[in-house]
Amino acid sequence: EVQLVESGGGLVQRGGSLRLSCAASDSGFTFNNYWMHWVRQAPGKGLEWVARINGDGITDGFTTSYADSVKGRFTISRDIAKNTLYLQMNSLGAEDTAVYYCTTVDTDWGQGTLVTVSS
Amino acid sequence: QAGLTQPPSVSKGLRQTATLTCTGNSNNVGNQGAAWLQQHEGHPPKVLSYRNDKRPTGISERFSASRSGNTASLTITGLQPEDEADYYCSAWDISLRAWVFGGGTKLTVL
Repeated sequence: EVQLVESGGGLVQRGGSLRLSCAASDSGFTFNNYWMHWVRQAPGKGLEWVARINGDGITDGFTTSYADSVKGRFTISRDIAKNTLYLQMNSLGAEDTAVYYCTTVDTDWGQGTLVTVSS
Repeated sequence: QAGLTQPPSVSKGLRQTATLTCTGNSNNVGNQGAAWLQQHEGHPPKVLSYRNDKRPTGISERFSASRSGNTASLTITGLQPEDEADYYCSAWDISLRAWVFGGGTKLTVL
């Protein structure tokens, strides 16, 4: 069972930026073989899908897609050489305060990293 | 993005059977099936089933999932205190090109 480990969360002021990273504990797990997603959970709330990036060679015509709530502000990407998944978050607002999970959704989930946006 | 519909709460007695439901549409649950996640307070979600009825290694046989049309179900038999948790369903929506989630069902074991 692969372990996904997120990092990069923290406290940021409204309007600021953060970049989240996700690494796999198993070197045999390569992100470009899977559709990878970021899912967030605001305090006391349910799960919200944020963004996804396709695996190589597996496409529906779109390499990435985003929830309407983050479109234009967040960017999902991956570094194949570092086998790392990223989420660049810009123009952060209070509504972005949440635990962010790196996940395949239907198989593997990370422990999450907390992002807190202060006003 | 439109979500899936789950009852907010279900309460059942110890050793009883609970069935949780999740309703979507033909673009998500009815097309791609659903995954079920269990989440205890302060912990990340754990996958109980995926692609309707597949159970990951290590998940108890007390958890079984199924689907009928646009509704997915998770049945938990022989309820134990540790089953008390939030349960989420999720499905890939081919129209939205996104995972959609239910609002979660809080299961209380009496």
